[in-house]
Amino acid sequence: EAGVAQSPRYKIIEKRQSVAFWCNPISGHATLYWYQQILGQGPKLLIQFQNNGVVDDSQLPKDRFSAERLKGVDSTLKIQPAKLEDSAVYLCASSEKGTSRVETQYFGPGTRLLVL
Amino acid sequence: AQSVTQPDIHITVSEGASLELRCNYSYGATPYLFWYVQSPGQGLQLLLKYFSGDTLVQGIKGFEAEFKRSQSSFNLRKPSVHWSDAAEYFCAVGPGGFQKLVFGTGTRLLVSP
Repeated sequence: EAGVAQSPRYKIIEKRQSVAFWCNPISGHATLYWYQQILGQGPKLLIQFQNNGVVDDSQLPKDRFSAERLKGVDSTLKIQPAKLEDSAVYLCASSEKGTSRVETQYFGPGTRLLVL
Repeated sequence: AQSVTQPDIHITVSEGASLELRCNYSYGATPYLFWYVQSPGQGLQLLLKYFSGDTLVQGIKGFEAEFKRSQSSFNLRKPSVHWSDAAEYFCAVGPGGFQKLVFGTGTRLLVSP
């Protein structure tokens, strides 16, 4: 079974530029999560999708971050414009249904973003 | 608000020695607790999880964790560490509602020969 795929693996941009990250979850998984992991910190949930609907985006900085999952499969996270403090690893995860508190989330390798 | 504290930023253990990583949580009700491991350049992998029942939980790779409600702790243990266990370990609590996980800041494990 293929795991969660993310691209690109690394990205370097200058502040005020735009950047987009792509995630393809495990086949058949209804729930998709985007996390931000700043160096020295644990991952922080940015947004959660159930199929193509948003379940939780309370910690997403909506003035600059956006995400979509149009067909309920893969997803794109965009930052526009980027700030220095957006430098982090962006992790995508998926789970089968997202309706159980003990369901396992499967994580992709992440995209490491450096904003100069 | 829910929170997780991992008081040790780094821990160094000799290969073959035992390991215990500390995790303390703050949550008003029965927590759902998880331990994840992150190897360099890789995503997080679930080691084990606790939600009810036996307070000693067995996981993959020989890890176990014990839930102690009185101490608000969920420490991770392994009787004999292997060099391949060197990684960063994250404790997380799932307070509820569609699996929103709150992670600790992580403990980096170094294994010396």
